[in-house]
Amino acid sequence: QVQLVQSGAEVKKPGASVKVSCKASGYTFTSYTMHWVRQAPGQRLEWMGWINAGNGDRKYSQKFQGRVTITRDTSASTAYMELSSLRSEDTAVYYCAGEWSDAFDIWGQGTMVTVSS
Amino acid sequence: EIVLTQSPDFQSVTPKEKVTITCRASQSIGSSLHWYQQKPDQSPKLLIKYASQSFSGVPSRFSGSGSGTDFTLTINSLEAEDAATYYCHQSSSPITFGQGTRLEIK
Repeated sequence: QVQLVQSGAEVKKPGASVKVSCKASGYTFTSYTMHWVRQAPGQRLEWMGWINAGNGDRKYSQKFQGRVTITRDTSASTAYMELSSLRSEDTAVYYCAGEWSDAFDIWGQGTMVTVSS
Repeated sequence: EIVLTQSPDFQSVTPKEKVTITCRASQSIGSSLHWYQQKPDQSPKLLIKYASQSFSGVPSRFSGSGSGTDFTLTINSLEAEDAATYYCHQSSSPITFGQGTRLEIK
């Protein structure tokens, strides 16, 4: 079946970077645009950016511009999100979500990233 | 940036009740509005796309309506398994979400 499986939980110190992976299966990886969305404790969902899995085009939220990098490896059907210069406010669950046409049709299970000294 | 405001923030309802959740956009977005259900410790799941199109496999008691700036998610004959937080999402860049509406089943 169509699914997105993310990498496991991470604990990082302030100032470090984290890289989260999202492996797709059950469909043609290059058919979707892959988005990254995060959810801090008790907060609303927050969009971070997307990558066109086919041609590699990408767009980032202005809020994260300069700190986030989204990439993909088509041979591995995997998308990646790297966030740098981590601070405590970046503690959140990070989701990948696949978009066919505007809406997010499928979501990964989420990856908890904790930033703590 | 388009701001989405949902109401109510929280609602306590009994099974078989009809529930209406609204989402208001700070500017017109046509029909580019989607609804998700998120249960505790789970990832969100798509319910409705383009304001009124039911996503595959979603029970028929869920429906959506609206266009422009005002949108509604309706759950007819609520079931216990519908306890969750519901989010609206607009797909004009930058993408934004509503603050969520938490439904508690009495």
